[in-house]
Amino acid sequence: EVQLVESGGGLVQPGGSLRLSCVASGFSFSDYWMTWVRQAPGKGLEWMANINHDGSETKYVDSVKGRFTVSRDNAEDSLYLQMTNLRVEDTAIYYCARDDYGDLPHWGQGILVTVSS
Amino acid sequence: IVMTQSPATLSVSPGERATLSCRASQSVANNLAWYQHKPGQAPRLLIYGASTRATGIPARFSGSGSGTEFTLTISSLQSEDFAVYYCQQYKPQYNDWPFTFGPGTRVDLQ
Repeated sequence: EVQLVESGGGLVQPGGSLRLSCVASGFSFSDYWMTWVRQAPGKGLEWMANINHDGSETKYVDSVKGRFTVSRDNAEDSLYLQMTNLRVEDTAIYYCARDDYGDLPHWGQGILVTVSS
Repeated sequence: IVMTQSPATLSVSPGERATLSCRASQSVANNLAWYQHKPGQAPRLLIYGASTRATGIPARFSGSGSGTEFTLTISSLQSEDFAVYYCQQYKPQYNDWPFTFGPGTRVDLQ
């Protein structure tokens, strides 16, 4: 069974940093692209970033370019999202998802990040 | 690529047919997926490739369209189908343009 488990969320002040992790199991992690998606309170889903099999290619939505970095450790079956210079508008539930040629058949349960002073 | 969805809210009764629309600002060919999202749960992939049902998805869900116009149809709405539905384009791009979701259609009980 495919499982994705996020961790690392919490409360952070504006301008602060946070690193989210997503541990994968039940599939060959190194064979798949991975994606981060978020949902701000009362808003829709926002595709944020993805990363290819070996971490050599990444893509970001404009709102997080230069502030967020997606990476992976295939030896640990883990995906990461390093978030810096956080803003109030980054408050959201963050999901990791397995990327099957662009569509997302498997998702984690999500982790809440709150940016507030 | 900007995705739009209509209507924003659809009020239907159980057993009725629901038709949801999604439009892309430029052609995405058939690189279009539909998701169902309920509060407190992870989104669930329903349709990929514009018309292929994902594993375990009931036959009452169907997708159609290509290019810029897409439709998700729920043939006979069940109580568990009341949720928000999102379309997502994933057209491969030779640049940094990201994949994008539409704003969603909420399907609620009439």
